[in-house]
Amino acid sequence: KQEVTQIPAALSVPEGENLVLNCSFTDSAIYNLQWFRQDPGKGLTSLLLIQSSQREQTSGRLNASLDKSSGRSTLYIAASQPGDSATYLCVPQGGNTPLVFGKGTRLSVIA
Amino acid sequence: EPEVTQTPSHQVTQMGQEVILRCVPISNHLYFYWYRQILGQKVEFLVSFYNNEISEKSEIFDDQFSVERPDGSNFTLKIRSTKLEDSAMYFCASSVGGAHTEAFFGQGTRLTVV
Repeated sequence: KQEVTQIPAALSVPEGENLVLNCSFTDSAIYNLQWFRQDPGKGLTSLLLIQSSQREQTSGRLNASLDKSSGRSTLYIAASQPGDSATYLCVPQGGNTPLVFGKGTRLSVIA
Repeated sequence: EPEVTQTPSHQVTQMGQEVILRCVPISNHLYFYWYRQILGQKVEFLVSFYNNEISEKSEIFDDQFSVERPDGSNFTLKIRSTKLEDSAMYFCASSVGGAHTEAFFGQGTRLTVV
């Protein structure tokens, strides 16, 4: 059964810092991995999807990497802004199994 | 940009009442899902739906729950007799293919059972 762990659970940084969010998952037999962002009391916004054959994916200030064999992914956020404050969720997708969510990393970027 | 739309955004209901949560998935998507998130907890899978039938469901999705695609655009989740513990944010999601394609989520319906 897939389990997802994200470290740190919470992170507070000053505006402008570069930061890395870490994700590990127990079942490496995945097709892809998706990173989401969730604002408090809101829905889930898809940020990036990395296929299992890819090593990384970039979108604007975000860069996600995937090491499928070791069951790890990282999300790198460059030049953080207060608007980046949210919970970030790493979601590996395997076969036709449902998405499995961890608790995420709660990020606060202080102006 | 296409998006998944959910209505209502917030619903308050009395214990024992039936509720229907509505979703309009992205138009060319074929796979539909319901997830829920109890306040402060992880997002949990409820059910997946493809080709007009349930393809998978979790142990949470008991006989009190049902899903339906009544027409070509809507996808609904019905809770027959709500319990206090059904209070949660319910998310609808859709994808073009199965779980190996990108899933898009709606903004959720916050259900409060009193």
